[in-house]
Amino acid sequence: DIQMTQSPSSLAASVGDRITISCRASQSISYFLNWYQHKSGKAPKLLIYAASRLQSGVPSRFSGSGSGTDFTLTISGLQPEDFATYYCQQSYGTPLTFGGGTKVEIK
Amino acid sequence: QVQFVQSGAEVKKPGASVKVSCKVSENTLTQISIHWVRQAPGKGLEWMGGFDPEHGGIVYAQNLQGRVSMTEDTSTDTVYLEVNSLRSEDSAMYYCAKSAYRRAFDVWGQGTLVTVSA
Repeated sequence: DIQMTQSPSSLAASVGDRITISCRASQSISYFLNWYQHKSGKAPKLLIYAASRLQSGVPSRFSGSGSGTDFTLTISGLQPEDFATYYCQQSYGTPLTFGGGTKVEIK
Repeated sequence: QVQFVQSGAEVKKPGASVKVSCKVSENTLTQISIHWVRQAPGKGLEWMGGFDPEHGGIVYAQNLQGRVSMTEDTSTDTVYLEVNSLRSEDSAMYYCAKSAYRRAFDVWGQGTLVTVSA
């Protein structure tokens, strides 16, 4: 199975900050990496697919980069509604696997 | 835009079975690939399985193989997830999700809470 490791597991930031979340795969997954935002009591929301493609309707302050084994989610200009947990997911092969999550909290 | 509506919360005893439904809008069930993802309390997201065109059928997570079954009823546009021999660690929020862009999940159900308790 492909293991996905996210870092950090949590971070505290202020509104307006630029933050980055890292995701590393245990083997090359090309660009088959997706990012989700998950808020308590709600379904996860797809933000980025294929490593860097912005899902329709997602604000442009979200961006993704990377290929192979190392990937990054960047939020440029954190907004109050962005405080949530973020997960990466590899879709290179089954079993599909998620990272452990990064909780973004208010500083 | 396709939407999913899942069945309500369930409380089950250990060893019992649970069947969660996910109704698909717009008569699109035959055109889409649906997967199931769960989240146990305080834990991350876990993929359980789903229809995978690359495999030509349903693929299950190996740790659930034999206890989980995913089926569909095209006459009612509903997919089902059944989990047998429930254990306390199966207590979780269960989501159905639509696969797009090669298994990125772009549409999700609202979730069904399953609690396994004696």
